[in-house]
Amino acid sequence: DAGVIQSPRHEVTEMGQEVTLRCKPISGHNSLFWYRQTMMRGLELLIYFNNNVPIDDSGMPEDRFSAKMPNASFSTLKIQPSEPRDSAVYFCASSAQSGLGYTFGSGTRLTVV
Amino acid sequence: KQEVTQIPAALSVPEGENLVLNCSFTDSAIYNLQWFRQDPGKGLTSLLLIQSSQREQTSGRLNASLDKSSGRSTLYIAASQPGDSATYLCAVRPNTNAGKSTFGDGTTLTVKP
Repeated sequence: DAGVIQSPRHEVTEMGQEVTLRCKPISGHNSLFWYRQTMMRGLELLIYFNNNVPIDDSGMPEDRFSAKMPNASFSTLKIQPSEPRDSAVYFCASSAQSGLGYTFGSGTRLTVV
Repeated sequence: KQEVTQIPAALSVPEGENLVLNCSFTDSAIYNLQWFRQDPGKGLTSLLLIQSSQREQTSGRLNASLDKSSGRSTLYIAASQPGDSATYLCAVRPNTNAGKSTFGDGTTLTVKP
């Protein structure tokens, strides 16, 4: 298995632009999580899905952030419009409900200038 | 609300020492506990997963223990090596299984040659 696949690995964009981050979970995993990591705030859960349905989006910072999971093999996290304070590493993780734990992707390093 | 604490925040040891990293949690109703390693600029790599019914798990030089009643887990690293230098995070998953895990802030380990 190729693991959790995130794209792009790096993204540099100008303030005000739309940014879309992508994630392909491990096949057969029912849960998908989006995290953000910064030096100041550590690892923060933004949103998670079970069986493609958003369960908890209380971590989404504001309306500029949105996430979708149209099918079991793909999810997107969109920021529109982006701001410099959104600069962070964004991780996607997936998990099977059998309780095997989380598997993380390599992350997308986002820089908003 | 589950709270996960990792103390110390940073630890420096000479090569060859055995060491213990600590993880404390406030709610003992957990499904599993997972230890991760994160190298600078990289994603999280799963090291060990302990189910709530288990007391410990071992992988090579690593041994993780779980004591639910006291709300503690330890990660024991034997014969530490410079390559073990990284940040170690623990994550506690609630007993709903499908629920989101709570992460500690991590312990940054430096092993000096």
